[in-house]
Amino acid sequence: DIQLTQSPSFLSASVGDRVSITCRASQGISSYLAWYQQKPGKAPKLLIYSASTLQSGVPSRFSGSESGTEFTLTISSLQPEDFATYYCQQFNSYLSSYTFGQGTKLEIK
Amino acid sequence: EMQLVESGGNLVQPGGSLRLSCAASGFTFSSYSMTWVRQAPGKGLEWVSYISSSSSTISYADSVKGRFTISRDNAEDSLYLQMNSLRAEDTAVYYCARPDISYYYAMDVWGQGTTVTVSS
Repeated sequence: DIQLTQSPSFLSASVGDRVSITCRASQGISSYLAWYQQKPGKAPKLLIYSASTLQSGVPSRFSGSESGTEFTLTISSLQPEDFATYYCQQFNSYLSSYTFGQGTKLEIK
Repeated sequence: EMQLVESGGNLVQPGGSLRLSCAASGFTFSSYSMTWVRQAPGKGLEWVSYISSSSSTISYADSVKGRFTISRDNAEDSLYLQMNSLRAEDTAVYYCARPDISYYYAMDVWGQGTTVTVSS
């Protein structure tokens, strides 16, 4: 099975900061990498799919990038509403299965 | 408006069974694959099961294989998860979610979740 290693697990930052979260896959996963934001008591929200494509309605301060098996979610200038937990996710098209990263909790400094 | 509404969560004893439902509206349910994802209290997201639009492809996480069964009724726009031999570690909020091939199978529509508690 493909494993996703997400880091850091916790991130403390201030409004206006630029932050990055990394997700490393144990093997190549093509373009089937997505990022989600989840706030307490709410369902996850899709932010980015295909590693770097912004979902409709998501602010442009969010971006995704890919370098081999390493994927990065960047928030260019943190806003108060961005403090949440973020997950990466991959889809294995051969097995029709999914794996989530462990999550990164982004907290206000 | 596209919507998914889960139901069926409850308190159940270890070894018991439960059937979750997910009612879809606002989109052509029969055209989409569907998934179940769960989240144990204070923990991360865990994919549970996947079913293709025609039910021809079904997959499960190893943690539930042999105990859980996913199914769907396209005529009723509904998704189901039959959960048997429940264990304490199955305690979680269960979400149904819609993968979209246009988004490389990322899940763009989620329900609000239904809570399953396995305890004696």
